[in-house]
Amino acid sequence: DVKVTQSSRYLVKRTGEKVFLECVQDMDHENMFWYRQDPGLGLRLIYFSYDVKMKEKGDIPEGYSVSREKKERFSLILESASTNQTSMYLCASTLLPVDEAFFGQGTRLTVV
Amino acid sequence: QKEVEQDPGPLSVPEGAIVSLNCTYSNSAFQYFMWYRQYSRKGPELLMYTYSSGNKEDGRFTAQVDKSSKYISLFIRDSQPSDSATYLCAMTPLTGANSKLTFGKGITLSVRP
Repeated sequence: DVKVTQSSRYLVKRTGEKVFLECVQDMDHENMFWYRQDPGLGLRLIYFSYDVKMKEKGDIPEGYSVSREKKERFSLILESASTNQTSMYLCASTLLPVDEAFFGQGTRLTVV
Repeated sequence: QKEVEQDPGPLSVPEGAIVSLNCTYSNSAFQYFMWYRQYSRKGPELLMYTYSSGNKEDGRFTAQVDKSSKYISLFIRDSQPSDSATYLCAMTPLTGANSKLTFGKGITLSVRP
């Protein structure tokens, strides 16, 4: 079974802190994605990566950056956390660019 | 107009009911249609997918696509309390630069025992 693991289930951070959300997949997938999920807004794509050291902006990249130094690991970085970044963050990976997406269990981030 | 619109819900039905979940879309290039199920405090998991118009059945679940109307549906027969979850439709053109999945907002279904 494909496994996508996110480093934390719950995280509480202070406004202005730099926050790292880590995601690791174990099936050698080329493609990895970061989404945030908010009530009434659904899943929104923040960033994605089709290859190591490659990244593309999604629909809402402002306030975020990403890092993909190794194929299996895709990190989301909140440079200076703000309260409007309180959300559920979901990482996903796919074998092909457009394919079944395997999601992690999510990280519920609260910024206070 | 959003690319993918999904009935907002929430939806509450008694056990054994037939459930119909629907999405409409505006991008005629969409060719690959998926339904994901997300249980509370979990990530979404793929439930069903289809590449073309018509029906696809898997146990109590049927996915239906009508490309001419840009309308997809998921039917759940003999619904069970274990079907209580959020259901998200997703779709993509399959080809083209940076093709990626576009999700509906999701609808939360509750099946009452």
